[in-house]
Amino acid sequence: QKEVEQDPGPLSVPEGAIVSLNCTYSNSAFQYFMWYRQYSRKGPELLMYTYSSGNKEDGRFTAQVDKSSKYISLFIRDSQPSDSATYLCAMSIGASGSRLTFGEGTQLTVNP
Amino acid sequence: GAVVSQHPSWVICKSGTSVKIECRSLDFQATTMFWYRQFPKQSLMLMATSNEGSKATYEQGVEKDKFLINHASLTLSTLTVTSAHPEDSSFYICSARPGGDGYTFGSGTRLTVV
Repeated sequence: QKEVEQDPGPLSVPEGAIVSLNCTYSNSAFQYFMWYRQYSRKGPELLMYTYSSGNKEDGRFTAQVDKSSKYISLFIRDSQPSDSATYLCAMSIGASGSRLTFGEGTQLTVNP
Repeated sequence: GAVVSQHPSWVICKSGTSVKIECRSLDFQATTMFWYRQFPKQSLMLMATSNEGSKATYEQGVEKDKFLINHASLTLSTLTVTSAHPEDSSFYICSARPGGDGYTFGSGTRLTVV
């Protein structure tokens, strides 16, 4: 069993839709949770970072963490064609110097 | 925000030659840097953890003699692919953590070995 499971998609939605991306994990030692966006042939770009259960909002993005269920989500409101990319969840046990464990990535296409 | 600069962005080399990829933290010091490899439509695979002033730690299955990592300063880590072969063709990405927030990634290097 993989430590982090993420539905690879692909996911296709119309512009303006609410997008929900999800990851589950098996290692309860994970304490830091991140969501990255990766455009084709580019390095991942950090979207959200959180280390506590609950919701964190930044513009159109909301990250949700449920440590008791070992489940994290990223919601994208009013999705735009420019949001079309691969979204990766990532998590780590410790802070700086600690390795990241990634999900497989979900490929999202937002159609105009 | 914090920036990790990675060069080159793409490189084509002949089989048997070596290629060096540089990763610099521009506005912060990085005691630790991470090197990843990514195949098309797959997630990032950690290759090694680079520590300033000491030997890198390689993941299981990664050949340390083939993928040489040097982290000589707090702002520079290099990955050298030695005696490259077509199967080494991939997307290589470095990462570091500025502190207090998530990890920052370089823009990646697309290596093609012909």
